[in-house]
Amino acid sequence: NAGVTQTPKFRVLKTGQSMTLLCAQDMNHEYMYWYRQDPGMGLRLIHYSVGEGTTAKGEVPDGYNVSRLKKQNFLLGLESAAPSQTSVYFCASSSGTGGLPQHFGDGTRLSIL
Amino acid sequence: DAKTTQPPSMDCAEGRAANLPCNHSTISGNEYVYWYRQIHSQGPQYIIHGLKNNETNEMASLIITEDRKSSTLILPHATLRDTAVYYCIVRVFPRGNTPLVFGKGTRLSVIA
Repeated sequence: NAGVTQTPKFRVLKTGQSMTLLCAQDMNHEYMYWYRQDPGMGLRLIHYSVGEGTTAKGEVPDGYNVSRLKKQNFLLGLESAAPSQTSVYFCASSSGTGGLPQHFGDGTRLSIL
Repeated sequence: DAKTTQPPSMDCAEGRAANLPCNHSTISGNEYVYWYRQIHSQGPQYIIHGLKNNETNEMASLIITEDRKSSTLILPHATLRDTAVYYCIVRVFPRGNTPLVFGKGTRLSVIA
């Protein structure tokens, strides 16, 4: 039982490059979320999805895009990476009942030079 | 959502019970208390949640005071693998679309 799997685990980008982070869950959860965590801070919600084909903005959506073409996958895209997007990115999923508890992946550590 | 207050750090001897307090004096009647933890370099992990009554699962016990203004997470036999940052979160249930606010939590160090 894999739970929530994030790919890749580490990545270094140059400013202006683009990339996509993949999140996959095998629990048939309706809700999926992308968070970022910066040193010494809590998690901040970037975007979320309440079901296949739907997405919505969270607290800090600027500079990111997402897609949920399949229920089990939630993709986070950076079109033109900036140093301010250096962070650890966590994906989470939850069932439709109240959205809690959330099950998290182990994170993607992204550095932008 | 109600604000929570937790001590920044705690130590616990291996094999002993770890009691992690959380104050939530402004909690309202429909808000639940959730506990998560984050082990270094890993994603947050759900532990337990409750509304009024004490709760127990395979990981921990949650004791909520009668006035619901504070709670304690109990790890009955702490191991080195329980070293982590523990977050107490108060949230209305259900409310699936809004972010979890983790705050700074309590850094628990389990010592051999």
